[in-house]
Amino acid sequence: KNEVEQSPQNLTAQEGEFITINCSYSVGISALHWLQQHPGGGIVSLFMLSSGKKKHGRLIATINIQEKHSSLHITASHPRDSAVYICAVPTRINYGGSQGNLIFGKGTKLSVKP
Amino acid sequence: EAGVTQFPSHSVIEKGQTVTLRCDPISGHDNLYWYRRVMGKEIKFLLHFVKESKQDESGMPNNRFLAERTGGTYSTLKVQPAELEDSGVYFCASSQAGGELFFGEGSRLTVL
Repeated sequence: KNEVEQSPQNLTAQEGEFITINCSYSVGISALHWLQQHPGGGIVSLFMLSSGKKKHGRLIATINIQEKHSSLHITASHPRDSAVYICAVPTRINYGGSQGNLIFGKGTKLSVKP
Repeated sequence: EAGVTQFPSHSVIEKGQTVTLRCDPISGHDNLYWYRRVMGKEIKFLLHFVKESKQDESGMPNNRFLAERTGGTYSTLKVQPAELEDSGVYFCASSQAGGELFFGEGSRLTVL
C-alpha cells in the first residue's frame, strides 16, 4: 500500500515569495494529484501528472518518477493562495481504470501575508 | 455546466440517528467517489462507483455506512446509526474515465 508524506505541514510566506511544497510516496504510481482546499472547505484539483512538469498560471507541478517525489511551486505568491495544498496518489500501482481511489497526504497549510 | 453538488452542506444529528448525504456528479461522469475527512486527519477514500456499480468499497469504515447510486446518476451515502466518530466532512468527486477529478463542496456531519 502506498504511503504519502508531505512537507512542510505549515508554511507562512510574505506576498511575492516563491513557494515550494514537497510530496514523497512509497510505491510507483500512474499519476499524482495536487489539490487545493480553500478555507471554506471546497476542494479543487490543481494538477494530475504522471511525468515531467505542468504549469498553470503561477502554479508549477513537477514529478520525478524514479525518486517518487513531486513538488508544487507557487511563483509570486499572493494572499489569495492561502489554502491547504494536498498531494494524493493511487492506492496501489497500476490500479485499473480509475484515478480517484487515492491515498491523501496530510496537507500543507499555506498562509501568505500581504 | 453545474459542478458536483452535495447536500446537505451541514448536518447536525444525535448519536443513533440516521443521516443521508447526497451527491450529484457532473452529468456524463461515470466515476463517482466518496471521501471523508475526520478532524485532524487526512482525507480518506471511502468508495468508488462506476455508473451504478460499486467498483471499490474497501474504504468504507463498517456496515453502518451504505452507499447507493441507483440509475448511475446521483449517489447517496447513508449512515445508520450514526456514532460520534462519524463526524467529519464527506466529500464527493466525479470524473470521466481517467480524467480530472471534480470535487463537491463537501457535507459537514456533526454527531452529538
